[in-house]
Amino acid sequence: NAGVTQTPKFRVLKTGQSMTLLCAQDMNHEYMYWYRQDPGMGLRLIHYSVGEGTTAKGEVPDGYNVSRLKKQNFLLGLESAAPSQTSVYFCASSYRQGGEQFFGPGTRLTVL
Amino acid sequence: EDQVTQSPEALRLQEGESSSLNCSYTVSGLRGLFWYRQDPGKGPEFLFTLYSAGEEKEKERLKATLTKKESFLHITAPKPEDSATYLCAVQGRYTGFQKLVFGTGTRLLVSP
Repeated sequence: NAGVTQTPKFRVLKTGQSMTLLCAQDMNHEYMYWYRQDPGMGLRLIHYSVGEGTTAKGEVPDGYNVSRLKKQNFLLGLESAAPSQTSVYFCASSYRQGGEQFFGPGTRLTVL
Repeated sequence: EDQVTQSPEALRLQEGESSSLNCSYTVSGLRGLFWYRQDPGKGPEFLFTLYSAGEEKEKERLKATLTKKESFLHITAPKPEDSATYLCAVQGRYTGFQKLVFGTGTRLLVSP
């Protein structure tokens, strides 16, 4: 099993550009999450999903949108990138409510 | 508001020199406390979940303990491959099962 995979691994955007980050998991997990990690701050939850077709806002959702059209995939979109969105983005999944979350390898995004 | 504080920020040990990392937390009803290991450029890797005060869990040279206010990650006779950042996170009963509040981590460096 590959676990949780993320594409791309690195990306550089200019302010105002858009992009989509893809997360895929092969563990048949219901719950999926998107986090961002910034220096000196803990991981912060952006959006999450409790099942196919569902999404919900986390702690820092502004400027991001998500979709969960298939159970195994969770997409994170930036419609108009801003320098404040420069960060490392992690996707995670879990098999039950409150269970441990399994993380992907991350995407390093730089917005110029 | 749920909060997690980890100390020290960084710790340097000689191989074989045992020590402990601290995770202090405030939460409105603890559902679970999680420990993760994060290597540079990678996603967090799940280590342990603790649910109630007095609980202990072990894995190789690592032992996690939990009290009502803090958790310790004890590292016995560490090896250079234990070098990583160790993250602590809490899940509160009243803030939703999907929300993990992370600390900023302890960077551990074990020298041979």
